[in-house]
Amino acid sequence: EDQVTQSPEALRLQEGESSSLNCSYTVSGLRGLFWYRQDPGKGPEFLFTLYSAGEEKEKERLKATLTKKESFLHITAPKPEDSATYLCAVQSSTGGSYIPTFGRGTSLIVHP
Amino acid sequence: ETGVTQTPRHLVMGMTNKKSLKCEQHLGHNAMYWYKQSAKKPLELMFVYSLEERVENNSVPSRFSPECPNSSHLFLHLHTLQPEDSALYLCASSQAGTVDETQYFGPGTRLLVL
Repeated sequence: EDQVTQSPEALRLQEGESSSLNCSYTVSGLRGLFWYRQDPGKGPEFLFTLYSAGEEKEKERLKATLTKKESFLHITAPKPEDSATYLCAVQSSTGGSYIPTFGRGTSLIVHP
Repeated sequence: ETGVTQTPRHLVMGMTNKKSLKCEQHLGHNAMYWYKQSAKKPLELMFVYSLEERVENNSVPSRFSPECPNSSHLFLHLHTLQPEDSALYLCASSQAGTVDETQYFGPGTRLLVL
């Protein structure tokens, strides 16, 4: 069974204080790993898809990296508007299912 | 309209009411999903439709009834709900069977059952 564990559950940062969110996964063959941002009461907003170990993607202050066991979402010099819940999901390449397994998310608060 | 849209955005209903949630995707995708998101819980997959056929039903109570008339529209019909059904209901779509099967979500419907 595919599993996704995100840590920490909650993170408080000062504006400008860089940090990383972790997504550890267990999957029988990784087809894709996805990062989303979710604001309260809204649907998840797609950020990145990573496919293979060593891959990295960047968008503004966010950078996602991938190894064979985990993914990191690095946030450089965060701003208060980066406050949100960040969700990680993995998709298995076996069993014919294209349905991803989601983690519980990391709630990030950035204080001005 | 672009992406995935959902209506209504907010819904309050009594336990004896019947209502429907609507989802429309403008991405040309062939798969659509309903998720339930309760406070402090991870996303719960409810239903999956691929090419307008239901391919997965995660033991959802029969008071939730999905309908997918075509590849762009998805409905969730609600009847005799319970207060514990209050949650954010999210619709998503993806292009299944391709290299990039990323799911794209709608804004959600916030449901309150009294």
